[in-house]
Amino acid sequence: SQQGEEDPQALSIQEGENATMNCSYKTSINNLQWYRQNSGRGLVHLILIRSNEREKHSGRLRVTLDTSKKSSSLLITASRAADTASYFCALYHQGGSEKLVFGKGMKLTVNP
Amino acid sequence: GAGVSQTPSNKVTEKGKYVELRCDPISGHTALYWYRQSLGQGPEFLIYFQGTGAADDSGLPNDRFFAVRPEGSVSTLKIQRTERGDSAVYLCASSKTGLGNEQFFGPGTRLTVL
Repeated sequence: SQQGEEDPQALSIQEGENATMNCSYKTSINNLQWYRQNSGRGLVHLILIRSNEREKHSGRLRVTLDTSKKSSSLLITASRAADTASYFCALYHQGGSEKLVFGKGMKLTVNP
Repeated sequence: GAGVSQTPSNKVTEKGKYVELRCDPISGHTALYWYRQSLGQGPEFLIYFQGTGAADDSGLPNDRFFAVRPEGSVSTLKIQRTERGDSAVYLCASSKTGLGNEQFFGPGTRLTVL
């Protein structure tokens, strides 16, 4: 399969805690992107990490990529109730199609 | 500035009918994508336009689905002889250049085929 698989499928934490979600994949990629989707704002791009990068930060988000293990992790620090959403990793593969291949997503619930 | 807009937001139709879904991308974005999302799943790629041309239509499920982008801006996804299995949220996204860069998604059109 060309899609990534997010793990865990669901996570419930308290406000202020950190949330970590993982994405594993099987094929070579050019970059990996994380998106968030909630009912209020639809699907929103969070961060993009290229295959030659190992770590990126954006505000409270930290993404790592290990191409040897074909896995990525998204860390959200000091979570807020507003972080409650579904999170998707999306793969941009090397060579050929321009499409993004999305995983099934994971549901994060941050309790106030 | 304005984001990606999609109309209608909801569409209910009967099996066998024809529907058109419209997407207005961000101004100046040359790349436009259509995805379909079923409940509990991630978006599934349908078709990609670079300018006016469909550069990749490998995700269209069958020949009942067709999309156009005649002037390189607005796009229309057309579904003929709708089936109940076509019910889903249809998402449109645009990107400044494509090439694997971030995509900006519209709010989607929820299609229900009765």
